[in-house]
Amino acid sequence: DAGVIQSPRHEVTEMGQEVTLRCKPISGHDYLFWYRQTMMRGLELLIYFNNNVPIDDSGMPEDRFSAKMPNASFSTLKIQPSEPRDSAVYFCASRRGLAVEQFFGPGTRLTVL
Amino acid sequence: DQQVKQNSPSLSVQEGRISILNCDYTNSMFDYFLWYKKYPAEGPTFLISISSIKDKNEDGRFTVFLNKSAKHLSLHIVPSQPGDSAVYFCAARGYSGAGSYQLTFGKGTKLSVIP
Repeated sequence: DAGVIQSPRHEVTEMGQEVTLRCKPISGHDYLFWYRQTMMRGLELLIYFNNNVPIDDSGMPEDRFSAKMPNASFSTLKIQPSEPRDSAVYFCASRRGLAVEQFFGPGTRLTVL
Repeated sequence: DQQVKQNSPSLSVQEGRISILNCDYTNSMFDYFLWYKKYPAEGPTFLISISSIKDKNEDGRFTVFLNKSAKHLSLHIVPSQPGDSAVYFCAARGYSGAGSYQLTFGKGTKLSVIP
């Protein structure tokens, strides 16, 4: 089975531009999580979905960040406008039901100049 | 406030010896604890977990110990191998409401196993 798929793997953009990160969860997994990893804050949860519905977005840093899950096999995390402090690695993870383990994608390294 | 803390940013161990990675937590309501391993340019991969009602779980060379009274867990790797060199994240599962759970991660410990 394919794991969690994220695209792009690397993104370099200029401040003020819109950035869209994409994720395809593992088939059959009904939970999807977006995380951000930075040196200062480590791995922090931004938002998660259950059956395509956002459940908790309290980790989203500000209104510039938005996430959608239009169907069970696709989610996006959008930053508009992007700022240099948004530079980080963004991970998507998925989980089946109330299983303990989450499966992570390879991440998208975002650099905002 | 960090609910899950890994106080050692890095650890170096000789090949064949034991590696001990530590993790402390503050929330007594966490019901599971997990360890993830991360190589550069890859996502974290699940390694081993332990329920809060257990004090030990073993899987091959990896053993996790839980001390609930001290709110402390540790991951032991015996014997350590160069391929174990990676960043290890401790995570704890807590109830997040709406019938669901989420993980809280520590900042990671970079393990270097020296041949």
